[in-house]
Amino acid sequence: AQSVTQPDIHITVSEGASLELRCNYSYGATPYLFWYVQSPGQGLQLLLKYFSGDTLVQGIKGFEAEFKRSQSSFNLRKPSVHWSDAAEYFCAVGAVQGAQKLVFGQGTRLTINP
Amino acid sequence: DVKVTQSSRYLVKRTGEKVFLECVQDMDHENMFWYRQDPGLGLRLIYFSYDVKMKEKGDIPEGYSVSREKKERFSLILESASTNQTSMYLCASGVRVLSGYTFGSGTRLTVV
Repeated sequence: AQSVTQPDIHITVSEGASLELRCNYSYGATPYLFWYVQSPGQGLQLLLKYFSGDTLVQGIKGFEAEFKRSQSSFNLRKPSVHWSDAAEYFCAVGAVQGAQKLVFGQGTRLTINP
Repeated sequence: DVKVTQSSRYLVKRTGEKVFLECVQDMDHENMFWYRQDPGLGLRLIYFSYDVKMKEKGDIPEGYSVSREKKERFSLILESASTNQTSMYLCASGVRVLSGYTFGSGTRLTVV
């Protein structure tokens, strides 16, 4: 069964600083990988996804993520954060075969200092 | 844009009550899901459905049941609500996992 670990529960960065959110997954093969963002009081919005090909994927709002098979990681990055990026971020994994479900990590809450 | 609508944003129910959470999607999606979200635990899958009248247990189905009589509607039922079911409940739908799924805004349920 697939699983996801987000080691950082809460991260604080200054506005304009770079950001990296960590995600490690466990799955027997190359999975489908996703990052979602949840703004306060909202549902989840898909930021980006990886399923094959180029290991660096671009998403919305200036985010990107890099798939590293050797490290079983799919870290999310942004070169310069804005105050509006304050939210909770979830990494998720989906199986290539079998049940069409997503398994989520614990989430990382991002706080932006002015 | 796909819309996933959860009927209630906030609910307060009493212990022992039967509770219905409703979710409707407008894009003819086969797959629908119910997750609960708790601080530090992320989203955990309760049940999902891949077609009308079809359902499968997720990781934490105890104390819950579901109903899918029409393709667009997926209901989560708490047979006898308990205080440990106080949580945020999120519904999602989609065609297949590769496409990513669309989430509703959530229902915050408080059981007193």
